[in-house]
Amino acid sequence: EAQVTQNPRYLITVTGKKLTVTCSQNMNHEYMSWYRQDPGLGLRQIYYSMNVEVTDKGDVPEGYKVSRKEKRNFPLILESPSPNQTSLYFCASGPGQGYAQYFGPGTRLTVT
Amino acid sequence: EDKVVQSPLSLVVHEGDTVTLNCSYEVTNFRSLLWYKQEKKAPTFLFMLTSSGIEKKSGRLSSILDKKELFSILNITATQTGDSAVYLCAVCTGANSKLTFGKGITLSVRP
Repeated sequence: EAQVTQNPRYLITVTGKKLTVTCSQNMNHEYMSWYRQDPGLGLRQIYYSMNVEVTDKGDVPEGYKVSRKEKRNFPLILESPSPNQTSLYFCASGPGQGYAQYFGPGTRLTVT
Repeated sequence: EDKVVQSPLSLVVHEGDTVTLNCSYEVTNFRSLLWYKQEKKAPTFLFMLTSSGIEKKSGRLSSILDKKELFSILNITATQTGDSAVYLCAVCTGANSKLTFGKGITLSVRP
């Protein structure tokens, strides 16, 4: 089944404890992206990648890192999480520039 | 700054009604406009529109884009309770294919 998977789906952590949210897609998509969704603010792009080893900042990149060493994987790294990073996170992938993006199931992160 | 505005913010209808959801945008370097449906989980893709005046249709849902007036509408006919969801409009722009989302429209369909 063609899909985008994320792990973990739920995470509660404490301020400053490094964490990684994994994202993987099995559709051979070139384009991958991370979004966060917050009440009243909607979905906002954090980082995106147009291909392996090519990543760039979205609208809200502060406090996040990404890497794209393989085409299928695009992990999101929070080196020192803070409470304002409590949010619902979505990974998405698409065939390439200008094509639709397909979303993973989401990761609900709480930072205390 | 790219901007996508959806209206109304929410609406309540009864089964069988027809609804029209609106999306207007002000962006630079437009590539496409997309509609998604979100039901307490991940957004699921509905339509992508790139050309003005060409209707996209899937069952009871249809959508059209007006690139001159910078808006799109999503129509749902003969609504069902399963249509209850948040409908998101997003505009894809630039060489990086960034998606800028509107805040969404919450549709509630009552039996």
